[in-house]
Amino acid sequence: DIQMTQSPSSLSASVGDRVTITCRTSQYSSNYLNWYQQRPGKAPKLLIYAASHLHSGVPSRFSGSGSGTEFTLTISSLQPEDFATYYCQQSYSTPNTFGGGTKVDIK
Amino acid sequence: QVQLVQSGPEVKEPGASVRVSCKASGYKFTSYGISWVRQAPGQGLEWMGWIGTYNGKTKYLQSLQGRVTVTTDTSTSTAHMELRSLRSDDTAVYYCARVGEDRAVVSDRFDYWGPGTLVIVSS
Repeated sequence: DIQMTQSPSSLSASVGDRVTITCRTSQYSSNYLNWYQQRPGKAPKLLIYAASHLHSGVPSRFSGSGSGTEFTLTISSLQPEDFATYYCQQSYSTPNTFGGGTKVDIK
Repeated sequence: QVQLVQSGPEVKEPGASVRVSCKASGYKFTSYGISWVRQAPGQGLEWMGWIGTYNGKTKYLQSLQGRVTVTTDTSTSTAHMELRSLRSDDTAVYYCARVGEDRAVVSDRFDYWGPGTLVIVSS
């Protein structure tokens, strides 16, 4: 199984800050890497698929990059509704596996 | 719009079985696979299994093999997940999610999710 390592596990930031989250896969994953946002008590929502493609309806302040084993999610200017937990997921092979999550809270 | 509506919360005793339903609307059900993902309280996400809605083919997490079964009823656009021999560490929110673009592909993004079903296993 492909192991996922997300960092940091949590961060504190202010509205307007640029935020970057990193995800590493234990094996080559090409660009089969997806990012999700989960607000408390809610289901995850897809943000980015195939490493860098913005899902329909997702604001353009979210972007993704990377390939192989290292990937990043960037929020260019953090908004109040972005305080949530973010997960990466590899879809290169089954079982699909998720990172441990990065909780973004208010500084 | 794409919607996945799940059945209500369940409380089960250890050793029992639970069946969670996921009714899809807003798209052609058999054009996309459905995966099940669970999340224990305060924990991360764990993929459990997938079903090809057009052919009934399944793929499961190895550690759940033999305890989990995913089925579909295409006449009602509904997927079902049954988990047997429940243990306390099966306590979690169970999500169904629509999978990717290719209905035959097991491994892809989860583009729409149900709201989740809380299953509590307790004596």
